[in-house]
Amino acid sequence: DQQVKQNSPSLSVQEGRISILNCDYTNSMFDYFLWYKKYPAEGPTFLISISSIKDKNEDGRFTVFLNKSAKHLSLHIVPSQPGDSAVYFCAASESGNTPLVFGKGTRLSVIA
Amino acid sequence: ETGVTQSPTHLIKTRGQQVTLRCSSQSGHNTVSWYQQALGQGPQFIFQYYREEENGRGNFPPRFSGLQFPNYSSELNVNALELDDSALYLCASSLPGQGWEKLFFGSGTQLSVL
Repeated sequence: DQQVKQNSPSLSVQEGRISILNCDYTNSMFDYFLWYKKYPAEGPTFLISISSIKDKNEDGRFTVFLNKSAKHLSLHIVPSQPGDSAVYFCAASESGNTPLVFGKGTRLSVIA
Repeated sequence: ETGVTQSPTHLIKTRGQQVTLRCSSQSGHNTVSWYQQALGQGPQFIFQYYREEENGRGNFPPRFSGLQFPNYSSELNVNALELDDSALYLCASSLPGQGWEKLFFGSGTQLSVL
């Protein structure tokens, strides 16, 4: 029973264009969401987070959108750069008081 | 400031053996979590330690056990290894008060069980 789903295993985008990574969740108690980025042979690194009191959070080229009614969030990267090529994991928690539940990840390839 | 370090980076064991994986937390972090990442999957929570006590456990059998030491370093022990235990084991530390939120991960230990 997967509570956090990333239905696209991979995504390929041209440099300079927008990358949109999607994530769906089933547990309505989740109210804190994070995105992690993972390069090969490295551990995941925190990228951006959002709590359910907001519907958007922005940090430089990265923006996360949350649609609570649809139980859906997305990560937008604009403009995409070759260095953004990595696996992106969506994760969720209940009020920040429960362990993070991760999706399976989406591999983003940004082509120069 | 040193990050989270894990040892060894790779390990090969045979079924039925026991293994100990080690983790040094990032400076100032008093909470450590362990995750298992099987091939093609996201990280799955094993357990968390805070002040040397287990502070939460995921859906893993008792043969997965851990320790946290006064210097906040940690060990993950797995007894009676099974083939399905083959995975990347990730250790993550977090700041006081942020135990379940922003995690700082090590590079992991790749365990292969033959």
